[in-house]
Amino acid sequence: TQLLEQSPQFLSIQEGENLTVYCNSSSVFSSLQWYRQEPGEGPVLLVTVVTGGEVKKLKRLTFQFGDARKDSSLHITAAQPGDTGLYLCAGDRGSNYKLTFGKGTLLTVNP
Amino acid sequence: NAGVTQTPKFQVLKTGQSMTLQCAQDMNHEYMSWYRQDPGMGLRLIHYSVGAGITDQGEVPNGYNVSRSTTEDFPLRLLSAAPSQTSVYFCASRGRGEQYFGPGTRLTVT
Repeated sequence: TQLLEQSPQFLSIQEGENLTVYCNSSSVFSSLQWYRQEPGEGPVLLVTVVTGGEVKKLKRLTFQFGDARKDSSLHITAAQPGDTGLYLCAGDRGSNYKLTFGKGTLLTVNP
Repeated sequence: NAGVTQTPKFQVLKTGQSMTLQCAQDMNHEYMSWYRQDPGMGLRLIHYSVGAGITDQGEVPNGYNVSRSTTEDFPLRLLSAAPSQTSVYFCASRGRGEQYFGPGTRLTVT
């Protein structure tokens, strides 16, 4: 059973469109992290959300942590080809620093 | 400050061979971990360590050994490689907040 479910698994859009990626769980997390991974490289941390209901913005990216700390979303406004990559969410249940990763959303932004 | 480094970048092994994937970090992080990434499976935790001399199993530990003799280094050993261990392996280290990943090792077992 996958602890963190990400959707959609694949997303292909045109430059300038908006999109939302979801990360859902039945478990409560003390924090949730979003990463972006480009081909041939390791994941790079984008943001960590800690408080239920928290919203964080990183330029055109908006991250939200659900009120119950069981789910999160990533919204990208006016997507650009440079946003192409694998987006991963990871939850921290607060013990031993272990993170549980979702399977990822592979985003392709076409020019 | 190099962050997390991994060697080698690519490796091909024959079934039954052994090898060690190297990982080092220069951020003085206590927590280090090894993941494997397979298509459609996401990142799965193999082993982790919360400090020198302390290691524990993750989600998929079978076929892998680790040790942590120093804060900086966390090698992953494959004692007898199997085709099922063909994957991309990432080492990561974590301080109080952020987790940093290495560039990965792409391993093929034939």
